[in-house]
Amino acid sequence: AQSVAQPEDQVNVAEGNPLTVKCTYSVSGNPYLFWYVQYPNRGLQFLLKYITGDNLVKGSYGFEAEFNKSQTSFHLKKPSALVSDSALYFCAVTAWYGNNRLAFGKGNQVVVIP
Amino acid sequence: NAGVTQTPKFQVLKTGQSMTLQCAQDMNHNSMYWYRQDPGMGLRLIYYSASEGTTDKGEVPNGYNVSRLNKREFSLRLESAAPSQTSVYFCASSNRGDTEAFFGQGTRLTVV
Repeated sequence: AQSVAQPEDQVNVAEGNPLTVKCTYSVSGNPYLFWYVQYPNRGLQFLLKYITGDNLVKGSYGFEAEFNKSQTSFHLKKPSALVSDSALYFCAVTAWYGNNRLAFGKGNQVVVIP
Repeated sequence: NAGVTQTPKFQVLKTGQSMTLQCAQDMNHNSMYWYRQDPGMGLRLIYYSASEGTTDKGEVPNGYNVSRLNKREFSLRLESAAPSQTSVYFCASSNRGDTEAFFGQGTRLTVV
């Protein structure tokens, strides 16, 4: 079954600095990869996805992510963090072969320091 | 456009009581999911339904049952609630594996 690892519990970054949130995955075959964000007391909101094609994908609010097949990684990045980016970020994976089982990581709390 | 609607938003149960969490989506999605969210544990899949008429166990199915009533609705039942089931429960839906999932606002369940 597919799984996701998000190795850091919390990421602290100064406002204006680059932000990176790490994700590695395990799946049989080719993956579909997603990033979601959760603000306090809210459901999850979709940020971006990798399906196929260009390894660098761009999403909402200036976020992007790079798919690396050899390292089985899909790290989320933002060139210049904002205080409003402080939230919980989840990486998720499902497989091409179509059982649609969507597995999430444990999440990373991002704290952007003014 | 309501998206994914979960009821109730909050619930307190006594140990041993039963209840059903309701979820409905109005996007004509094929797949639906139930997750629980616990601090430090992320989102763990309880059950999912890849399409109408099918259900499958996720990572943590024990103590739960589900029903895919029709394409719109996917309910989660706790037959005999335990304190370990205190959590925030999220329902989600998606159309296909390569499309994003949409989430409900969650149900905060406390079992005392």
